[in-house]
Amino acid sequence: KAGVTQTPRYLIKTRGQQVTLSCSPISGHRSVSWYQQTPGQGLQFLFEYFSETQRNKGNFPGRFSGRQFSNSRSEMNVSTLELGDSALYLCASSKDTSGANVLTFGAGSRLTVL
Amino acid sequence: AQKITQTQPGMFVQEKEAVTLDCTYDTSDPSYGLFWYKQPSSGEMIFLIYQGSYDQQNATEGRYSLNFQKARKSANLVISASQLGDSAMYFCAMRDMNTGFQKLVFGTGTRLLVSP
Repeated sequence: KAGVTQTPRYLIKTRGQQVTLSCSPISGHRSVSWYQQTPGQGLQFLFEYFSETQRNKGNFPGRFSGRQFSNSRSEMNVSTLELGDSALYLCASSKDTSGANVLTFGAGSRLTVL
Repeated sequence: AQKITQTQPGMFVQEKEAVTLDCTYDTSDPSYGLFWYKQPSSGEMIFLIYQGSYDQQNATEGRYSLNFQKARKSANLVISASQLGDSAMYFCAMRDMNTGFQKLVFGTGTRLLVSP
């Protein structure tokens, strides 16, 4: 079956712009999480959605937002981009909210802010 | 708060040998899950193995096994018979099982290089 699909894979933006990243989870998966990966801070949790509701949020400024649609697809948005937002953004999906779930990750969207 | 510590920034191993990647964790929650992921240079995180805090036996998945020592709060990954394709970053992660959240807390990772 198809894995987690993230688009776009690569993008370049300039400071002050905004960006929208998309994530299509595995078919049947209803939970979607987002992570930011940078060389300095490592992997950091951004937010988590289940059934169109944000259930958990990491320690990021309000410029980072997201949403989930009724088909479980998710988008995240970063407004007023800063140089420090350059990172690999990873989306992961899981079936439901069970604690034993394995997160399946997409290949990521690599954002470069100039 | 949960914390994962991976003290080995890099490890070298020869092909066909076994290697152990260290992971220690800190949590006050009695119910938690421990995960290992592999990240090749392509960027995608690949799930390797899972251990629940109440599991009596150490988890195994093919060439991967998890050496779970609860009293020491360690969950080391053992890769047997290393292959060139095992060269990648390896991340240990944990989740609190009581919240219903899917959030994983990751360590800083260990870069493994397998030489011929």
